[in-house]
Amino acid sequence: QLQLQESSPGLVKPSETLSLTCTVSGGSINNSSYFWGWIRQPPGKGLEWIGTIYYGGNTYYNPSLKSRVTISVETSMSQVSLQLTSVTAADTATYFCASLSGVQVDCWGQGALVTVSS
Amino acid sequence: NFMLTQSHSVSESPGKTVTISCTRNSGSIASNYVQWYQQRPGSSPTIVIYEDDQRPSGVPDRFSGSIDSSSNSASLTISGLKTEDEADYYCQSYANNNWVFGGGTKLTVL
Repeated sequence: QLQLQESSPGLVKPSETLSLTCTVSGGSINNSSYFWGWIRQPPGKGLEWIGTIYYGGNTYYNPSLKSRVTISVETSMSQVSLQLTSVTAADTATYFCASLSGVQVDCWGQGALVTVSS
Repeated sequence: NFMLTQSHSVSESPGKTVTISCTRNSGSIASNYVQWYQQRPGSSPTIVIYEDDQRPSGVPDRFSGSIDSSSNSASLTISGLKTEDEADYYCQSYANNNWVFGGGTKLTVL
């Protein structure tokens, strides 16, 4: 069974870069059946898709975040990474790593809370 | 891109049936599959309906999904409500390499 585990810095200062990694276990990160993505949820609010990386490396990002987001895969480490630059308090959220297939999210990580504050 | 709109909250009594709707603001609801996720407090979401009306293994048949082209909306119906169904429910669709979520509906079972 696929398992996803996010690691988080917890606290990031405004204007800095948020970096998260997701370790994939129970399955191959190279499986062409899966895409990998990040989804976030501000406290008390709904889900927001951040972006997706496909097998082969193509990436697609939420237009509202596109200029600040980079998603990458480190195959040797079985990790998916997220970088979000120039963060503000509005980026405070729980960040979920996810595996996607077809049009749906199949598996979610437990989520990592990131707070943006000085 | 399109948006998916859900009512903020709904409440119903145990044993009853509730329907949660998700309306697409542009483009046809039938153009792209709709999924539904359940999120209990403090937990990650889990999928309860995929491809409009398909139930993953392990999801009770009390959960069903449908789409209605006339109202351009998708619906999640939960019958025989149980207190364990109390959760937030999110619809989601996909188009042009974008995944779109609805704002979520809080279901209270009381």
